[in-house]
Amino acid sequence: EAGVVQSPRYKIIEKKQPVAFWCNPISGHNTLYWYLQNLGQGPELLIRYENEEAVDDSQLPKDRFSAERLKGVDSTLKIQPAELGDSAVYLCASSLSQGNYNEQFFGPGTRLTVL
Amino acid sequence: SQQGEEDPQALSIQEGENATMNCSYKTSINNLQWYRQNSGRGLVHLILIRSNEREKHSGRLRVTLDTSKKSSSLLITASRAADTASYFCATGSTGANSKLTFGKGITLSVRP
Repeated sequence: EAGVVQSPRYKIIEKKQPVAFWCNPISGHNTLYWYLQNLGQGPELLIRYENEEAVDDSQLPKDRFSAERLKGVDSTLKIQPAELGDSAVYLCASSLSQGNYNEQFFGPGTRLTVL
Repeated sequence: SQQGEEDPQALSIQEGENATMNCSYKTSINNLQWYRQNSGRGLVHLILIRSNEREKHSGRLRVTLDTSKKSSSLLITASRAADTASYFCATGSTGANSKLTFGKGITLSVRP
């Protein structure tokens, strides 16, 4: 069974440029998460989807970050424009419904470097 | 904000020894989970313990939960060099909009 797929694995951009990350969750997982992980820290939730609905986006900086999960399967996270402080690893995870009560499966992450 | 706080921040042991990692949290939880992260990789789920459970085993892993002290411990017995990784505790909150909140993690080094 394929795990959570993320692309790209690495991205280097200059500040003020846009960037997008893609995630394909495990087949059959209704819940999808985007996390931000800074160096030496644990993941912090940005947004959670139940199917195509964003049910928790309270930690998403909406002035520059956006996300979508149009058909309730794969998802895209976008930053526009990127700032130096956005350099981090962006992790996607998925789980069966009621994911907070079940294990989450993580992708390898996208390491973003903003110059 | 991160609710779970792991202790110690770093741990170095010899292969074959046991490793004990602790996690404390502040608010009521539905469950507590432990994850492992190898360098440059995503997190891997190790074990989940629910708030009405006190102890759980999985292979060489043993997790305890003390809700009165708001703390949990992860014991890895007979450690191996391959156990070298960062370990995170994550608390699952209660309520309608519950979510998983991760701590800062513990760096475990197992010397061969």
